Amino acid sequence: EVQLLESGGGLVQPGGSLRLSCAVSGFTFSTYAMGWVRQAPGKGLEWVSSIGSGGESTYYADSVKGRFTISRDNSKNTLYLQMDSLRAEDTAVYYCAKDLWELRVNNWFDPWGQGTLVIVSS
Amino acid sequence: AIRMTQSPSSFSASTGDRVTITCRAGQGISSHLAWYQQKPGKAPKLLIFGASTLQDGVPSRFSGSGSGTDFTLTISCLQSEDFATYYCQQYHSYPITFGQGTRLEIK
Repeated sequence: EVQLLESGGGLVQPGGSLRLSCAVSGFTFSTYAMGWVRQAPGKGLEWVSSIGSGGESTYYADSVKGRFTISRDNSKNTLYLQMDSLRAEDTAVYYCAKDLWELRVNNWFDPWGQGTLVIVSS
Repeated sequence: AIRMTQSPSSFSASTGDRVTITCRAGQGISSHLAWYQQKPGKAPKLLIFGASTLQDGVPSRFSGSGSGTDFTLTISCLQSEDFATYYCQQYHSYPITFGQGTRLEIK
């Protein structure tokens, strides 16, 4: 069974940093692109970032470019999102998600993790 | 960024109804469109990709159509478990963008 488990969320002050992790199991992590999508409370879905299977290709939403960094450790089956210079508008549930098909970055995601809540507030 | 606009934003329907949700892209995206279902407090679930390809395990009462700028998600016979919020998503170009969502409620 494919499983994705996010961790690392919490309360952080504006300007602070957090690193989210997504531990995966049940599939060959190193052959799939991955992504992060967030959802502010009561709002819709917003794509944040994607990364190729080998980590060589990364893509970001304009709203996080230069502040967030996506990475992966294929030896640990773990996806990361380093979030710096956090703002109140970054408050959201952050989901990691697996690309449906192997090897290329397709950006249609299934399944998703259960999400981890990030609150940016003083 | 390609703007994705769904209509309606919300509506009520009854079990057994046939419902259609529309998604319009601000520019042509070929068939690079996915549909997701999200229930309260849960992660989204992929229903359709490539505008019309049903993901494994998704009931056949769900169908998608369209290409270019206009797309539809149809549920042929609503079941109680289908009441949820639906999102379209384009993956034609970066940044990846979602529609604002369509909330389907029980009448």
